[in-house]
Amino acid sequence: VQLLESGGDLVQPGGSLRISCTASGFSFISYAMSWVRQAPGKGLEWVSGISSTGGSAYYADSVKGRFTVSRDNSKNTLSLQMNSLRAEDTAVYFCVKDGQWLLGDFDYWGLGTLVTVSA
Amino acid sequence: DVVLTQSPLSLPVTLGQPASISCRSSQSLIHSNGNTYLNWFQQRPGQSPRRLIYRVSKRDSGVPDRFSGSGSGTDFTLKISRVEAEDIGVYYCMQGTQWPPYTFGQGTKLEIK
Repeated sequence: VQLLESGGDLVQPGGSLRISCTASGFSFISYAMSWVRQAPGKGLEWVSGISSTGGSAYYADSVKGRFTVSRDNSKNTLSLQMNSLRAEDTAVYFCVKDGQWLLGDFDYWGLGTLVTVSA
Repeated sequence: DVVLTQSPLSLPVTLGQPASISCRSSQSLIHSNGNTYLNWFQQRPGQSPRRLIYRVSKRDSGVPDRFSGSGSGTDFTLKISRVEAEDIGVYYCMQGTQWPPYTFGQGTKLEIK
């Protein structure tokens, strides 16, 4: 199993960014996926999760209305569109494999991509 | 939201000695299907988190048997029978029973005395 995140960058407050995760080594279409972030020197925070089909998506209150998770099962890709970015969104964003259902299995993690929100 | 409270937050341990981390939940983590979705993760310095234990006590493949998980309901424990140098890092508990959101404990930093 491999999860490779990309797209992290330096963005100004109020700006937008899209990060992605390319999955390999497992049947991507069969598993739910999540994004988890870690601010510098801080703990882990779940951000968003999406069902295997993409038909259901869930968000932490801290990002609801600003972030949108999506997946392309034909390309084994998970994405997170982040709008209205704030300084407190600065973090490493990890792509995480869940189980066949959204139950927080979190058995595989990517290396992460760094998003920095600063003027 | 379910709040997970870990203790201690810092754990200095002598090599070869046991270590224990507690994770207490603000609500029962028993799912309606009878399972308890409580996981433990290890994050070594500069690395991504790695799952060690799932569903309270099931050890992941490749995880040394010195790691064990136990507990039920709202009280859970991760034990290391004999700490080795490679065990240095931060340990997190996480629940997947009552979501959204999935929630993590604050993390416990294990260091060698």
